[in-house]
Amino acid sequence: DQQVKQNSPSLSVQEGRISILNCDYTNSMFDYFLWYKKYPAEGPTFLISISSIKDKNEDGRFTVFLNKSAKHLSLHIVPSQPGDSAVYFCAAGSHGANNLFFGTGTRLTVIP
Amino acid sequence: DAGVTQSPTHLIKTRGQQVTLRCSPKSGHDTVSWYQQALGQGPQFIFQYYEEEERQRGNFPDRFSGHQFPNYSSELNVNALLLGDSALYLCASSLLYRENSPLHFGNGTRLTVT
Repeated sequence: DQQVKQNSPSLSVQEGRISILNCDYTNSMFDYFLWYKKYPAEGPTFLISISSIKDKNEDGRFTVFLNKSAKHLSLHIVPSQPGDSAVYFCAAGSHGANNLFFGTGTRLTVIP
Repeated sequence: DAGVTQSPTHLIKTRGQQVTLRCSPKSGHDTVSWYQQALGQGPQFIFQYYEEEERQRGNFPDRFSGHQFPNYSSELNVNALLLGDSALYLCASSLLYRENSPLHFGNGTRLTVT
């Protein structure tokens, strides 16, 4: 049973425009959410996180939004750059637990 | 600052064999987690080690076992390999008692079982 879902396997965006990656979760016990970026032949790299006590967290060009009532989070990248082209994984966990649940990933392609 | 290192990078084994994968955590980290990433899927939690003990385990059979050494490095052992064990095995390290300490991943070991 997939507790974290990324329903868009791929996304293409023009350079300079906004990229919006979406993620849904089913477990209401999740209270900590993360986004990871993965390049080929490398491990996932931590990008940004958000705790359930917040609904927004920003770090430079990256902003994560959390809608707890809808069990939905999104990652906004503005402006998108060709170097952002990678697979993005959404992950969720619970404080006190030691494991993260990952989505299946969205492949972002930023077109120059 | 050394990140998470894993060895080997690639491995080919035959069904029924046993395999050992190795991981050194990021400097300063005390906790190691192992994840399996099958093709087209996200990483799935196998287990986590802290203070040389398994703290939590995911939904994986007993064929999967691990160990953590006093220097925090870790091994993942898989016995009686099946074709379905073919995957990318990722090691991640973190600080257990630092709130919201994100996982730092290594580049993984690609295991192919034939």
